[in-house]
Amino acid sequence: EAGVAQSPRYKIIEKRQSVAFWCNPISGHATLYWYQQILGQGPKLLIQFQNNGVVDDSQLPKDRFSAERLKGVDSTLKIQPAKLEDSAVYLCASSLVGTSTDTQYFGPGTRLTVL
Amino acid sequence: TQLLEQSPQFLSIQEGENLTVYCNSSSVFSSLQWYRQEPGEGPVLLVTVVTGGEVKKLKRLTFQFGDARKDSSLHITAAQPGDTGLYLCAGGRGSNYKLTFGKGTLLTVNP
Repeated sequence: EAGVAQSPRYKIIEKRQSVAFWCNPISGHATLYWYQQILGQGPKLLIQFQNNGVVDDSQLPKDRFSAERLKGVDSTLKIQPAKLEDSAVYLCASSLVGTSTDTQYFGPGTRLTVL
Repeated sequence: TQLLEQSPQFLSIQEGENLTVYCNSSSVFSSLQWYRQEPGEGPVLLVTVVTGGEVKKLKRLTFQFGDARKDSSLHITAAQPGDTGLYLCAGGRGSNYKLTFGKGTLLTVNP
């Protein structure tokens, strides 16, 4: 079974530029998550989708971050414009049904550096 | 607000030693998960505990959920270099599907 795919793996941009990340979850998983993991910290949930609807985006900085999950499958996360403090690893995860005891399967992440 | 405190933050030991890492909170969780994250990879689920006092064993790893469901521990027996990684605990609450992660314990097992 293929895992969660993410691209790109690495991205370096200058502040005020835009960037987009892509995630392809495990086939059949209804729930998709985007996390931000700053160096030395645990993952912080940015947004959670159930199929193509948003379940939780309370920690998403909506003035600069946006995300969509077209047709309830792939998802993109965009940052526009980027700030220095956005430097982090952006992890995508998926799970079958989305309960807190469900297994979340993580992708390898995209490491973003903002200069 | 950091709801899950993990300790120690860093741990470096020799192969063959035993160790315990902790995950503590002032809040009650309905479930708690432990993940291991290796450099350049995403976290991988090790175990889920849901009952206060529950103990689960996974080969050399023993996980315990506190009776009051506010804390958990992970004990590794005879650590091996392959156990090196960032150990994260994550708590869930009832119908709120969101997981809250701790900052993790970075374990290094030296050969």
